[in-house]
Amino acid sequence: EAQVTQNPRYLITVTGKKLTVTCSQNMNHEYMSWYRQDPGLGLRQIYYSMNVEVTDKGDVPEGYKVSRKEKRNFPLILESPSPNQTSLYFCASSLTAGAPGNEQFFGPGTRLTVL
Amino acid sequence: RKEVEQDPGPFNVPEGATVAFNCTYSNSASQSFFWYRQDCRKEPKLLMSVYSSGNEDGRFTAQLNRASQYISLLIRDSKLSDSATYLCVVTDNYGQNFVFGPGTRLSVLP
Repeated sequence: EAQVTQNPRYLITVTGKKLTVTCSQNMNHEYMSWYRQDPGLGLRQIYYSMNVEVTDKGDVPEGYKVSRKEKRNFPLILESPSPNQTSLYFCASSLTAGAPGNEQFFGPGTRLTVL
Repeated sequence: RKEVEQDPGPFNVPEGATVAFNCTYSNSASQSFFWYRQDCRKEPKLLMSVYSSGNEDGRFTAQLNRASQYISLLIRDSKLSDSATYLCVVTDNYGQNFVFGPGTRLSVLP
């Protein structure tokens, strides 16, 4: 089954404790992206990757890191999480970037709480 | 001014009604446009891409007006299953950076 998987789905952590949220897709997609969703603010893009070893900042990259060493994986790293990073996080992938008709497939989301 | 703005909602409509969603965007060089739907606590899913000539998919019609920087979505004969939040999405000049609108929630009532 074609899908985007994220782990963990739920995470409660404390300020400053490094964490990684994994994202994997099995569709051989070139483009992958991370978003956070907050009430009243909608989805905001954190980082995206056009292909292996190519990553770029989105609209809200501060406090996050990503890597793209393999085509299928795009982990999101929070080196020193803070309470303002409490949010719902989505990973997404698409065959290429956002050309018309090019659907982004989203993972099920990771709900992160930083105390 | 926000990059992508949508009707604040929520919209509560009876089954069978026609409902229209509006969206405006600020980047005149935006390349691509989409409507996604998001059910409560679920991931967004593509409803339809929006083409310059306008496009239709069953009960759904999307329109794009580049001169006015305006996108619309029309749902005809609404069903209970159409209840969701509808997200307007716009990319940058290169189609790489995606900007989502805040969404408009629709409730279709029996």
